Amino acid sequence: KAGVTQTPRYLIKTRGQQVTLSCSPISGHRSVSWYQQTPGQGLQFLFEYFSETQRNKGNFPGRFSGRQFSNSRSEMNVSTLELGDSALYLCASSTLEGHEQYFGPGTRLTVT
Amino acid sequence: AQSVAQPEDQVNVAEGNPLTVKCTYSVSGNPYLFWYVQYPNRGLQFLLKYITGDNLVKGSYGFEAEFNKSQTSFHLKKPSALVSDSALYFCAVRALGSSNTGKLIFGQGTTLQVKP
Repeated sequence: KAGVTQTPRYLIKTRGQQVTLSCSPISGHRSVSWYQQTPGQGLQFLFEYFSETQRNKGNFPGRFSGRQFSNSRSEMNVSTLELGDSALYLCASSTLEGHEQYFGPGTRLTVT
Repeated sequence: AQSVAQPEDQVNVAEGNPLTVKCTYSVSGNPYLFWYVQYPNRGLQFLLKYITGDNLVKGSYGFEAEFNKSQTSFHLKKPSALVSDSALYFCAVRALGSSNTGKLIFGQGTTLQVKP
């Protein structure tokens, strides 16, 4: 099976802009979770989607949003970018019954 | 609140020696515990998990972990380290509750350096 794919891999944006990141889960996986990784804060949970519904949300401002499509692909959007949003954004997928999550390579977002 | 701690920022071992990367957790109820590894500029790779059953869990690449309920620990081990094991290792616990299936709480990570 193909793994989790994320596009784009690298992105440079300017403060105040918005950005959309995409994640395609492993075939058959219906749960998609998003994480932000920074040197200072480590790995932090953003949100999880299952069957097109947000099932759980982390402690991030409303500028961070996401959605999931009927084919389980997911997107996350960050509006009004701030310098502190520079991070590696990781997407992970899992089965309904599975416990482990499988991660994509991440999207490296740099905000200037 | 649930949490995971990795007390060592970095662990240094010589190739061929056994390695241990420490992890302690704090959860209410039975924990679901995981170890992941991250190589530079890559995502996280799943190594192993503890859900229930034997306290010694075997995973990928020769790694294993020992679940100790009384000490609330889940240390990662390998009998003989390889230089290629050098990477960043994360311990994680799954948040409890049916609505939290997809939420993992991670430790801060431990850099493993294996020297030839």
